[in-house]
Amino acid sequence: EPEVTQTPSHQVTQMGQEVILRCVPISNHLYFYWYRQILGQKVEFLVSFYNNEISEKSEIFDDQFSVERPDGSNFTLKIRSTKLEDSAMYFCASSEFSRRGRNTIYFGEGSWLTVV
Amino acid sequence: LAKTTQPISMDSYEGQEVNITCSHNNIATNDYITWYQQFPSQGPRFIIQGYKTKVTNEVASLFIPADRKSSTLSLPRVSLSDTAVYYCLVHTGTASKLTFGTGTRLQVTL
Repeated sequence: EPEVTQTPSHQVTQMGQEVILRCVPISNHLYFYWYRQILGQKVEFLVSFYNNEISEKSEIFDDQFSVERPDGSNFTLKIRSTKLEDSAMYFCASSEFSRRGRNTIYFGEGSWLTVV
Repeated sequence: LAKTTQPISMDSYEGQEVNITCSHNNIATNDYITWYQQFPSQGPRFIIQGYKTKVTNEVASLFIPADRKSSTLSLPRVSLSDTAVYYCLVHTGTASKLTFGTGTRLQVTL
């Protein structure tokens, strides 16, 4: 079964450092997302990406965050200057929007980011 | 955005059928209902999605009454490995953003 893959599975970084989280979406999918989940809290939407541009973003996704699809397979989330409160599990997701209007989103296993 | 309400937690014994009901009274005409499963420290895993009536796959069944104001996820003969959090989400077919609630924490024991 095709799946969304993410690297690294776990990263520890110092406050103020830049972090790049990488994702390989399912190959025929055209819509890409990042979500995050702080320990013990809900899964939160960060950003969606389609046709090489952001289609929607949440209030969490401020200027410290950016996304990029540098090639035909990878989708990245960059946090420019990490803060302690950025510690969370970050999930990449992708979907193939069907002609019938149904949008099923598949998630990766997550990248656990710890900012110290 | 349709708000969903589901039990905070449920307990079951291994081998039993588990039904988790979700209320979504203000579901819109173009909304779909999707259920995800999440294990600790893992990403949400798609279980099943439906619009109306009944949908069944190899993992679960989804029952949606005619008024669509609720839905029931049915897990046949659960095992210990089904212990997880189950999320009910209501969203448009074109939605790029899913709004997760706190889900239902299912605990399966022997």
